[in-house]
Amino acid sequence: QLVLAQSPSASASLGASVKLTCTLSSGHSTNAIAWHQQQPEKGPRFLMKVTSDGSHSKGDGIPDRFSGSSSGAERYLTISSLQSEDEADYYCQTWGTGIHYVFGTGTKVTVL
Amino acid sequence: EVQLLESGGGLVQPGGSLRLSCAASGFTFTNYAMSWVRQAPGKGLEWVSAISTSGASTYYADSVKGRFTISRDNSKNTLYVQMNSLRAEDTAIYFCAKDLDGLPTHWGQGTLVTVSS
Repeated sequence: QLVLAQSPSASASLGASVKLTCTLSSGHSTNAIAWHQQQPEKGPRFLMKVTSDGSHSKGDGIPDRFSGSSSGAERYLTISSLQSEDEADYYCQTWGTGIHYVFGTGTKVTVL
Repeated sequence: EVQLLESGGGLVQPGGSLRLSCAASGFTFTNYAMSWVRQAPGKGLEWVSAISTSGASTYYADSVKGRFTISRDNSKNTLYVQMNSLRAEDTAIYFCAKDLDGLPTHWGQGTLVTVSS
């Protein structure tokens, strides 16, 4: 079964960096994933797609502070120079047969 | 600029029906598959349904299969979902999303559906 695992929370100081992890379930370690940001009381926003080789392609207007990488079954989102507006929930997402999204449980990022 | 504007949410009794709409602009609607994703209060994102560019293929989560029907009107650049036999657990914000190769690359702001007596 295709499942994405995420830690429930992460925190870092203003101006620091934070690295979020999304782990693909067994048998799906080569899947590409996407990262989405959801600020409080807003709809989600597509950040980037991250492939198994670590390449990433960003959505419209996504700052350079956001980057993606991979290692094995893990996909990462790194936010550098953390700003107050980066305080949000971050979801990883992949897709199954046909058009069928699978979401991780989300990581809440707190800016200290 | 891509814009997706959902409407049609509201309060409905258990067992009732509701139709949501998503008006799309800023891109060639007929070229993209579309999806509905929902978020229950305080919970994460849950994919609900998707439809191909022509509407010929539709996909549903097991939780809504047989109760929800997704459709689109390409002449009106509008996506729909007809929701029947609504349950309390269908209470959520419903988002529409523009799909590109399995990725929702643009999202609307959502419309709230509350199922309660």
